[in-house]
Amino acid sequence: TQLLEQSPQFLSIQEGENLTVYCNSSSVFSSLQWYRQEPGEGPVLLVTVVTGGEVKKLKRLTFQFGDARKDSSLHITAAQPGDTGLYLCAGAISGGSNYKLTFGKGTLLTVNP
Amino acid sequence: DARVTQTPRHKVTEMGQEVTMRCQPILGHNTVFWYRQTMMQGLELLAYFRNRAPLDDSGMPKDRFSAEMPDATLATLKIQPSEPRDSAVYFCASGLVPLLQKETQYFGPGTRLLVL
Repeated sequence: TQLLEQSPQFLSIQEGENLTVYCNSSSVFSSLQWYRQEPGEGPVLLVTVVTGGEVKKLKRLTFQFGDARKDSSLHITAAQPGDTGLYLCAGAISGGSNYKLTFGKGTLLTVNP
Repeated sequence: DARVTQTPRHKVTEMGQEVTMRCQPILGHNTVFWYRQTMMQGLELLAYFRNRAPLDDSGMPKDRFSAEMPDATLATLKIQPSEPRDSAVYFCASGLVPLLQKETQYFGPGTRLLVL
């Protein structure tokens, strides 16, 4: 079983602060995805990273895939209350016709106005 | 705006009762996933289908859970008999394969199940 450890589990910050959340595993993934989930809703995909060392930016969010494709980080600059939610990373194992994601337990982020 | 729909959104039932959850994937998607989310375990894959055929249901307790796709527009997840430990939010997601490495799964809003 491939396990993804996310840290921290909970994070409460003030509007305008920067933060980084981490996603670590001992397994190598073919790709890694980050999702955000709001209360009462399903997760929504933010980004997919595929290449080791890859960095992607989505406005104030910066995603990085580790060189060995075992870990990833999400950095948010100048956090806003609208960034509040559960951030989930998910590693993909694909082979042949199979494709499935293993999810971390998430980081619950609260951004206070 | 295409979305995955799930019914019911909430379900409260008593232990021992049968529970059926339904999912309508996005039209044209060929892959459907069922997940369960709890505080303790997070989001766990229960089963998934490709072109209506079950590919992997290793995450599902076989004795009480069953998943089917009667047609391309409907996926069902049944629990019989239900137990309190089944209380969780059950998500359905759909996607389109191939494009394996960049596949996007679109999640439904979930069914929140409480078994008393």
